[in-house]
Amino acid sequence: SQELEQSPQSLIVQEGKNLTINCTSSKTLYGLYWYKQKYGEGLIFLMMLQKGGEEKSHEKITAKLDEKKQQSSLHITASQPSHAGIYLCGADLGGNNRLAFGKGNQVVVIP
Amino acid sequence: NAGVMQNPRHLVRRRGQEARLRCSPMKGHSHVYWYRQLPEEGLKFMVYLQKENIIDESGMPKERFSAEFPKEGPSILRIQQVVRGDSAAYFCASSPPIRVDTQYFGPGTRLTVL
Repeated sequence: SQELEQSPQSLIVQEGKNLTINCTSSKTLYGLYWYKQKYGEGLIFLMMLQKGGEEKSHEKITAKLDEKKQQSSLHITASQPSHAGIYLCGADLGGNNRLAFGKGNQVVVIP
Repeated sequence: NAGVMQNPRHLVRRRGQEARLRCSPMKGHSHVYWYRQLPEEGLKFMVYLQKENIIDESGMPKERFSAEFPKEGPSILRIQQVVRGDSAAYFCASSPPIRVDTQYFGPGTRLTVL
């Protein structure tokens, strides 16, 4: 079974609209990482969250980690075509630097 | 500061051959991780290394796969006698030695076994 569940699996939004994707774990997360991957390319680091209730923002992307440290959401405001790609959440589930990953959220932004 | 470098970017091998994948971590990083991304399966941890030491290889297949990170030079992931099921994207990540936190990923090596 997948240790991290990401939803929705895919999402199509109109340019300029907001979107939210989610990452859920049944275990407490020692660290939660959001990466973006374009097809056929590597992973681009976006943000890392460690503390319950933590929220970070970079440009138009905001990520939150819930108080229980078991769920994270990533919100994009006024989406642009450059936001298209696969968003992967990764988490250190055992405090041992081994990251487990979800299967990703595929985001398509229609101009 | 150059990012994590991996080469080759694409590698084609016939069944039974050996594949060698190289990873040069970011400058100042002494922790290296290898992950494999199989089609439809997502990214899976394989091995965690520090200079001259394997810290955690619990994600490595027991046979044919090995990894090293020598004192000098890049980290190497070696796959002997490749089979079609080894076809995947192999990603290397690195992190700094003092605070082991964010892992920065390379562009990956896409291995195709014919």
